[in-house]
Amino acid sequence: EDKVVQSPLSLVVHEGDTVTLNCSYEVTNFRSLLWYKQEKKAPTFLFMLTSSGIEKKSGRLSSILDKKELFSILNITATQTGDSAVYLCAVEAGSARQLTFGSGTQLTVLP
Amino acid sequence: DTAVSQTPKYLVTQMGNDKSIKCEQNLGHDTMYWYKQDSKKFLKIMFSYNNKELIINETVPNRFSPKSPDKAHLNLHINSLELGDSAVYFCASSQGATGVAFFGQGTRLTVV
Repeated sequence: EDKVVQSPLSLVVHEGDTVTLNCSYEVTNFRSLLWYKQEKKAPTFLFMLTSSGIEKKSGRLSSILDKKELFSILNITATQTGDSAVYLCAVEAGSARQLTFGSGTQLTVLP
Repeated sequence: DTAVSQTPKYLVTQMGNDKSIKCEQNLGHDTMYWYKQDSKKFLKIMFSYNNKELIINETVPNRFSPKSPDKAHLNLHINSLELGDSAVYFCASSQGATGVAFFGQGTRLTVV
C-alpha cells in the first residue's frame, strides 16, 4: 500500500522565522509529488515535483524532491501569519492517477 | 468563476437516510475525484472517474456510489448513512498527465 508520511505534525513559530516541512513516501511507480496548502476550506495547489534536485520556488516558498532517498521538503522563509495553514504532501503513483496524501503539517505563525 | 463547485456546503442528516452531494467542474478536465477528510485532517481518495472508467478505493463501503451524468459532473450518493460517515467530502478534478488536482470547497456532512 502506498504511504506518505509528513513531519512534524504541527509547528508553532514566530513571524520572520524559517520553517522546513518534511514529506517521505513509499509508493509503487512514483509519478509526481505535490504540495498543497489548506486553510479553512479547499486545499490549494503549491508545487508539483517530478525530478530530483530541481528546486521549485514561488515567493518565500520553495520545494525540492529527492527521488533516491524518497522525500521532499517545503521551505518557507520569513514566515507571516498568513502562512498559518495545514500543508499537505501528496504523491501520485501507479496507473490509477490517484493521490495519496500525508496527514499534513499544521503550521501556526504567531505575530 | 468557481472552478470546482460542490453543493451543499453543509449537510446535517439522520442515520439511515440517503443523501447526495453534487460536484461540477468548469475546467474542462477529464478526471474527477471524491476525497474524504476525517477529523484528523487526513485526506483519503474514495473514487476517481475518467472517461467512464471508475476506479474505486477498495476500502470504501458500497453504500457510497459516484454517478457521472457527463464529463463535468461527478455526484456522490450515499445510502443508509452512518455516524462514521461524518466528515468533509471534497470533490476534485485534473486533466491528463499533469496530476495537479484542483479541489472544491468541501461539503461538511454531519450524521446525527
